[in-house]
Amino acid sequence: GDSVTQMEGPVTLSEEAFLTINCTYTATGYPSLFWYVQYPGEGLQLLLKATKADDKGSNKGFEATYRKETTSFHLEKGSVQVSDSAVYFCALPLSGNTGKLIFGQGTTLQVKP
Amino acid sequence: DAGVIQSPRHEVTEMGQEVTLRCKLISGHNSLFWYRQTMMRGLELLIYFNNNVPIDDSGMPEDRFSAKMPNASFSTLKIQPSEPRDSAVYFCASSLVSGGPDTQYFGPGTRLTVL
Repeated sequence: GDSVTQMEGPVTLSEEAFLTINCTYTATGYPSLFWYVQYPGEGLQLLLKATKADDKGSNKGFEATYRKETTSFHLEKGSVQVSDSAVYFCALPLSGNTGKLIFGQGTTLQVKP
Repeated sequence: DAGVIQSPRHEVTEMGQEVTLRCKLISGHNSLFWYRQTMMRGLELLIYFNNNVPIDDSGMPEDRFSAKMPNASFSTLKIQPSEPRDSAVYFCASSLVSGGPDTQYFGPGTRLTVL
């Protein structure tokens, strides 16, 4: 069945370091792909999305490119800030137009000043 | 626009008591999802509704849990009787399922502590 696998966390970086959080997926066809972010004490919120192969989603300095050849959607940011400390979830929709999302297990990012 | 509204934000109760969590969807949305999040198990989907109809409740842990949508904009999740292992943060999320890349909008969560 459809699934999402994220790299294990936590990821600890110094401010201004380069960030990559890996995400790979298994799915039928070419579903949309999402990254959600959860800041401490809050609910998840959409960070970015890509709707078809080779699309690049971007927001707040974060980017992710939909790679169908490698079935990946890795999240990157060139220079992280302390305020980026959060849990990041990769997700894809379950086929069948139900609106249900399949989430990865989440990757905790801690950025130190 | 108001986002998803959850109440209460925090709930502390004793084992055996009934707990009711509430969620108001974003106006115009037609799907509602209840999640539970703990350190041990991560984010779990409990149940979801499309157009007020429960579609999949396979994530509901046991019969002590029940969820309803009495109307298109409101939902409740009830735990009766509550147990300490139910302690978690409960989120609801709403979405407009329209055949496109449907974004779920999460509420701020209810932190439940069962003593």
